[in-house]
Amino acid sequence: DADVTQTPRNRITKTGKRIMLECSQTKGHDRMYWYRQDPGLGLRLIYYSFDVKDINKGEISDGYSVSRQAQAKFSLSLESAIPNQTALYFCATSRQGGDTGELFFGEGSRLTVL
Amino acid sequence: AQSVSQHNHHVILSEAASLELGCNYSYGGTVNLFWYVQYPGQHLQLLLKYFSGDPLVKGIKGFEAEFIKSKFSFNLRKPSVQWSDTAEYFCAVNGGPDKLIFGTGTRLQVFP
Repeated sequence: DADVTQTPRNRITKTGKRIMLECSQTKGHDRMYWYRQDPGLGLRLIYYSFDVKDINKGEISDGYSVSRQAQAKFSLSLESAIPNQTALYFCATSRQGGDTGELFFGEGSRLTVL
Repeated sequence: AQSVSQHNHHVILSEAASLELGCNYSYGGTVNLFWYVQYPGQHLQLLLKYFSGDPLVKGIKGFEAEFIKSKFSFNLRKPSVQWSDTAEYFCAVNGGPDKLIFGTGTRLQVFP
């Protein structure tokens, strides 16, 4: 089983709909992240969380919100999806006090907004 | 602000050719540098990393990278590529505590 699990893996939705992408991990890591990947733009950080009570905006947080329900769960929400949020979304984790910056990624959630 | 530049967007090679992918970063402090690989349809995996010490670091599958501080570079190399190396490669630099800044990626295609 994957250590970092994302659901759904694929989702097609319409403009204006609310979407939630979920991430759960069994690595026991404190730190969790949401990135989006777009062709030619690489990965860009949306939000990150260093523990359950800590939420931080990344470089492209507008239009997104997150919830850290537990150490192992970190959800990304699009309150009102728009077409330019069509992308591949990755959840990642890292270990506090571990090798700084080494991230462990989920399999990705491909979102299409029509 | 920290940034990472990967100048090769798409590289096409034949098997057994040598590979070098460029990565330059902009960051004034102590850097931790990474190369991640994304095989088709898969998630990103760590290829190699540099924290300190020997500037020539070796990773998995025969890859290596050299940190040249004076040039702010961390180029990825492999002496002889294989078809299975077809993937997208991302350079990354630490942008704060446990926060990575990624380059835009280089797509490598290797033909038999």
